[in-house]
Amino acid sequence: AQTVTQSQPEMSVQEAETVTLSCTYDTSESDYYLFWYKQPPSRQMILVIRQEAYKQQNATENRFSVNFQKAAKSFSLKISDSQLGDAAMYFCAYHPTEKLVFGKGTKLTVNP
Amino acid sequence: DAGVIQSPRHEVTEMGQEVTLRCKPISGHDYLFWYRQTMMRGLELLIYFNNNVPIDDSGMPEDRFSAKMPNASFSTLKIQPSEPRDSAVYFCASRSPRREGPTGELFFGEGSRLTVL
Repeated sequence: AQTVTQSQPEMSVQEAETVTLSCTYDTSESDYYLFWYKQPPSRQMILVIRQEAYKQQNATENRFSVNFQKAAKSFSLKISDSQLGDAAMYFCAYHPTEKLVFGKGTKLTVNP
Repeated sequence: DAGVIQSPRHEVTEMGQEVTLRCKPISGHDYLFWYRQTMMRGLELLIYFNNNVPIDDSGMPEDRFSAKMPNASFSTLKIQPSEPRDSAVYFCASRSPRREGPTGELFFGEGSRLTVL
């Protein structure tokens, strides 16, 4: 079965500091996509960043970047210069073919 | 585009009642997904459609749950009879065809929070 594991149920970071959220996944596929979604208290699911497995270069979106280690099946999210608005649940998701499989999420608290 | 539209946003009902959740996907998207979110189990895929046809309903918990997509712009998720353990947030999401560029991203609705008393 394809699974996604987020080992940190909760994380906290000081405003302006950097935090890394972990994600590992289990797959036998070679071609797939990985995503990080953010869910603030409003409950809206918002795409943060996407990584194609065939690309060696790590994806970056402004203050958000990933460390993609394909052999280790690891896909961590780094948030730099954390802001109060980054406080949310963060979900890692794996996409092999048609459907997305989500991890259980990491709740990120940003302290002023 | 207005995005994925779900209704109702909140629903409180009593055990045994029928519940119908509705979803309008983004125009042009040919995949539609229903997810259920709970604290204990996270985001679970219930069922998904491609071109209005159910492709995988293995996540539907039991026969009390059913989903339909009568046309490209509308889908329903029905629970009959409802039970307290069905209390959750139900999300609908849609996705564009693979041939149209960056693939995989799901666009989510705001979710329907269901409380069964």
